[in-house]
Amino acid sequence: SAVISQKPSRDICQRGTSLTIQCQVDSQVTMMFWYRQQPGQSLTLIATANQGSEATYESGFVIDKFPISRPNLTFSTLTVSNMSPEDSSIYLCSVGGVGQGAINYGYTFGSGTRLTVV
Amino acid sequence: KQEVTQIPAALSVPEGENLVLNCSFTDSAIYNLQWFRQDPGKGLTSLLLIQSSQREQTSGRLNASLDKSSGRSTLYIAASQPGDSATYLCAVRIQGAQKLVFGQGTRLTINP
Repeated sequence: SAVISQKPSRDICQRGTSLTIQCQVDSQVTMMFWYRQQPGQSLTLIATANQGSEATYESGFVIDKFPISRPNLTFSTLTVSNMSPEDSSIYLCSVGGVGQGAINYGYTFGSGTRLTVV
Repeated sequence: KQEVTQIPAALSVPEGENLVLNCSFTDSAIYNLQWFRQDPGKGLTSLLLIQSSQREQTSGRLNASLDKSSGRSTLYIAASQPGDSATYLCAVRIQGAQKLVFGQGTRLTINP
C-alpha cells in the first residue's frame, strides 16, 4: 500500500489566518481525499482531489473555505482559510480505492494534522 | 444515504480477554468494509479490509467478519493487550463512489 507523508503534524493558529496542509505520496495515485475529524467525532469527507481538474467538494464544504491543489499525481495541499475556532480539528489525507485491473484496494491515511485555532 | 453505526461507543476490559466490536450499515450496496485503528490525536492505521464477496479476514489476533445482507460486521480481538487500547473505526466504501463512510468508532481501553 502507498505511504503518505503529511505535514505539519500539528499547528496552533490565530483566527482569521490560513493554514496549508501538504500530503506527499510515494506512488502515483489518481485520486486523493481530504477528511476532517472534529473533536470527539468521526471522519467526514471534505473533497476529492483529481490531478488536472478541480476538486469535488462534499455537501457543506466550499472551495473558498477549503481550496485544494493537485499539481501532480503524488502531491496535494488543502488550505483552511480564514480560520475560526470551529475549524479546530484533525485533517487527514487519504489515497486508495480502485487500482489497476479494477482491484479494490483499501484506503491509506496520512498521519493527520491537528489544528487548533485560538 | 448510507449510515454506519458502531456499538459500543466505549469499552473497557481487563487484559487477556477476548472481545467483539460491532459495526452496522444501512445500505448493503458496498464494495468493501475496512477496519481502522486510531491512536489519540493521530492518523488511521488500516487493520483489515473485507471485500463485499468475502465473509471474513484474519490478521494475527484480529478477525473481521462481514454479513453484507444483514448489514453487519464484527471485529474480534483475541487475548487483548494494553497496547490494543485505541479507537477502532469501521468504514464502508459505497458502490458507485470512491468515498468512505465512517462509523463513530469504539474507544477501547485494555486495563493491565
